[in-house]
Amino acid sequence: DTAVSQTPKYLVTQMGNDKSIKCEQNLGHDTMYWYKQDSKKFLKIMFSYNNKELIINETVPNRFSPKSPDKAHLNLHINSLELGDSAVYFCASSQGGYQNSPLHFGNGTRLTVT
Amino acid sequence: ILNVEQSPQSLHVQEGDSTNFTCSFPSSNFYALHWYRWETAKSPEALFVMTLNGDEKKKGRISATLNTKEGYSYLYIKGSQPEDSATYLCAFTTSGTYKYIFGTGTRLKVLA
Repeated sequence: DTAVSQTPKYLVTQMGNDKSIKCEQNLGHDTMYWYKQDSKKFLKIMFSYNNKELIINETVPNRFSPKSPDKAHLNLHINSLELGDSAVYFCASSQGGYQNSPLHFGNGTRLTVT
Repeated sequence: ILNVEQSPQSLHVQEGDSTNFTCSFPSSNFYALHWYRWETAKSPEALFVMTLNGDEKKKGRISATLNTKEGYSYLYIKGSQPEDSATYLCAFTTSGTYKYIFGTGTRLKVLA
């Protein structure tokens, strides 16, 4: 069974559209994250939720809105997509409150905005 | 601003060579240092988590050490094999936050 699963794997869309990426984990973890892999392959934190509560909100345009309906799910909604949003987005989870707990990553969603 | 630096950025070694790379991190408010292995077209997978100064961890031919006072960790691979080819990431966590701050990675290519 996949521990952290993201859908879709690939997303191609036009500028101005609104799209969502879904993430689910079956590890029983309390904390979930969204990371963006930039053009230099650097993983940059975007958001984190702990038990459905937003705990990290980095300097991300407010076109990006995370939603956590329960602690096993963290979705990312992006409004008015721009060319610069093209990237690979990774979801991850960890046992919250324990920063020595390793992150478990999904397989990534490659978003291409044309 | 918390910066995590990794060096070298990329590395080519011959099969059978041993190699090592460095992760440098802020030494203040340290909580844990993580190493991940990231193969192309896959997601990062955890290798080690270290918390104590002087910690050493080993998994097969891969080992890591930690110096929290001076803010660095080394990852060693003994007798590199082509299947070791990947990007190796380190991440630093501080006490009191949920942030995992990643370095830019060391891309290793092992030539057969």
